[in-house]
Amino acid sequence: DIQMTQSPSTLSASVGDRVTITCRASQSISTWLAWYQQKPGKAPKLLIYKASTLQSGVPSRFSGSGSRTEFTLTISSLQPDDFATYYCQQYNGYPQTFGQGTKVEIK
Amino acid sequence: QVQLMESGGGVVQPGGSLRLSCATSGFTFSNYGMHWVRQAPGKGLEWVAFLQYDGSNKFPDSVKGRFAISRDNSKNTVYLQMNSLRTEDTAMYYCAKEGAQYSHGYEAFDVWGQGTMVTVSS
Repeated sequence: DIQMTQSPSTLSASVGDRVTITCRASQSISTWLAWYQQKPGKAPKLLIYKASTLQSGVPSRFSGSGSRTEFTLTISSLQPDDFATYYCQQYNGYPQTFGQGTKVEIK
Repeated sequence: QVQLMESGGGVVQPGGSLRLSCATSGFTFSNYGMHWVRQAPGKGLEWVAFLQYDGSNKFPDSVKGRFAISRDNSKNTVYLQMNSLRTEDTAMYYCAKEGAQYSHGYEAFDVWGQGTMVTVSS
């Protein structure tokens, strides 16, 4: 199975900060990577797919980059609505696997 | 708009069975693959089943042989039959839609339902 490792597990930041979350795959997944945002008690929401393509309706302050085994999700200017947990997911192979999550908290 | 709505969750004893349903609307259901993903309380996301638009399926080893996935295109609904349930199957179960038509399971999940809770306990 392909292991997905996110860092950090928790991130404390302030409104307006630039935030970067890293996701590493245990083997190459090309660019078959997605990022999701999840708020407490809610379903995950797709933000980015194919490593860097912004899902329709997602604010442009979110961006993704990377390929093969190293990926990043960047929020250019953190907004109050962005405090949530973020997951990466590889869909290069089965079983599809998720990172353990990164919780973005208010500093 | 595209909507997914899960139902069928509840409390079941270890070794028991449960069938979850995911009713969909707002898109051509028969053209899309569908997934089930679960989340144990306070934990991360775990993929548990995929049903391709043409009926082929995939499962992780953790549920293979115990879970089955099916669809009724006339009802725009996908099902997850869960047998031989274990305490570790306790989780919120989400259905999710693939992001492109006629995909073979290599797409991100662009729409998710709100989930249905399954508790396996004696």
